[in-house]
Amino acid sequence: DSGVTQTPKHLITATGQRVTLRCSPRSGDLSVYWYQQSLDQGLQFLIQYYNGEERAKGNILERFSAQQFPDLHSELNLSSLELGDSALYFCASSVGSGAGLYEQYFGPGTRLTVT
Amino acid sequence: GNSVTQMEGPVTLSEEAFLTINCTYTATGYPSLFWYVQYPGEGLQLLLKATKADDKGSNKGFEATYRKETTSFHLEKGSVQVSDSAVYFCALSVSFGGNTPLVFGKGTRLSVIA
Repeated sequence: DSGVTQTPKHLITATGQRVTLRCSPRSGDLSVYWYQQSLDQGLQFLIQYYNGEERAKGNILERFSAQQFPDLHSELNLSSLELGDSALYFCASSVGSGAGLYEQYFGPGTRLTVT
Repeated sequence: GNSVTQMEGPVTLSEEAFLTINCTYTATGYPSLFWYVQYPGEGLQLLLKATKADDKGSNKGFEATYRKETTSFHLEKGSVQVSDSAVYFCALSVSFGGNTPLVFGKGTRLSVIA
């Protein structure tokens, strides 16, 4: 158990809908990262937050957005869903941001299926 | 840009066989290198890491050495077990350590048969 929790574990929804994925980082971790794992694209970084502020952005679509709340949990919002958004979405957390020796701890993931 | 290339799988080995999974990288700056493992139905777990040239990361019998001259970080294990069956990901972080986003290879699925 990494200490990172993600809800829900599974999500099935229809095209055009909007969903919210939730992540609670390990106690004491200030950075949260979101990754998408799909069969064709592999594991891709989406976005990072550090202590409530966006720190880095990867291949995140404009239909997707995220935020980190004062209690440090994070939510990833996916809207106007398409079939190609079906994937496993991972959240990871680490103590800090930038140079350092802190590893990222991954949650169990949320499997999103868009039908 | 930054990228990681690892050998395509799947790799199937008999128990007690020697394992090598090749990983090479391209990076701007001086990256840190990682191997993560994903067991069926689970998230990623850090297996080992190295943060500077010639560092050897090791854990649970797995080893990998950071080779700057060949831009490689190959994963090895002398004697695999059935419980090692999983998907292995090579990754890099363009900072010292892992506090910045990771760039992953496509993963290599390992199956070990008794």
